[in-house]
Amino acid sequence: GEDVEQSLFLSVREGDSSVINCTYTDSSSTYLYWYKQEPGAGLQLLTYIFSNMDMKQDQRLTVLLNKKDKHLSLRIADTQTGDSAIYFCAERDDKIIFGKGTRLHILP
Amino acid sequence: GAVVSQHPSWVICKSGTSVKIECRSLDFQATTMFWYRQFPKQSLMLMATSNEGSKATYEQGVEKDKFLINHASLTLSTLTVTSAHPEDSSFYICSASWTRGMNEQFFGPGTRLTVL
Repeated sequence: GEDVEQSLFLSVREGDSSVINCTYTDSSSTYLYWYKQEPGAGLQLLTYIFSNMDMKQDQRLTVLLNKKDKHLSLRIADTQTGDSAIYFCAERDDKIIFGKGTRLHILP
Repeated sequence: GAVVSQHPSWVICKSGTSVKIECRSLDFQATTMFWYRQFPKQSLMLMATSNEGSKATYEQGVEKDKFLINHASLTLSTLTVTSAHPEDSSFYICSASWTRGMNEQFFGPGTRLTVL
């Protein structure tokens, strides 16, 4: 069945770049998403990429898609304390399938 | 814009009672609303999709008689957990979309249900 995998934790020093990786199994996914969940808050759509693209940049965020390997990554440049959250990778074909989320911890 | 609220944000109830959770789209009309369940350190699992004025479509393995969903208006959907048991304790999240289907969804803050 469809599955989305991502590592559960990532620690990064403030000011460094964070790279969160994700793999998915459904080759017919049309959209791939990155969501951010802060404590006590709902999911916030950070960015998304169409499956026919290989890169998308939006300010400090860069999404890379390797469709052949079914690998998606989110790079956050100049990581700040406000970036501390859980980041969910998700793919969509007929419904959205979420990964388990990567908790990003910022070190001072 | 595109704000979705949920009420209550948390609820504790006794086993055997029913609990209603509300999901509201505050500044747009939500043609479609989705209900998800999230276990600790787990991903969100889609429970059901509801279109305004229609019966909800439940995902495989979700008991429709236990999780009653009503989407009576374009701004409100409710999830009622009937005869709740401790295994129903979870974080329930709704999302809303102004189109039918899975286009951009706006998520509510979630409701934490604890069944004693």
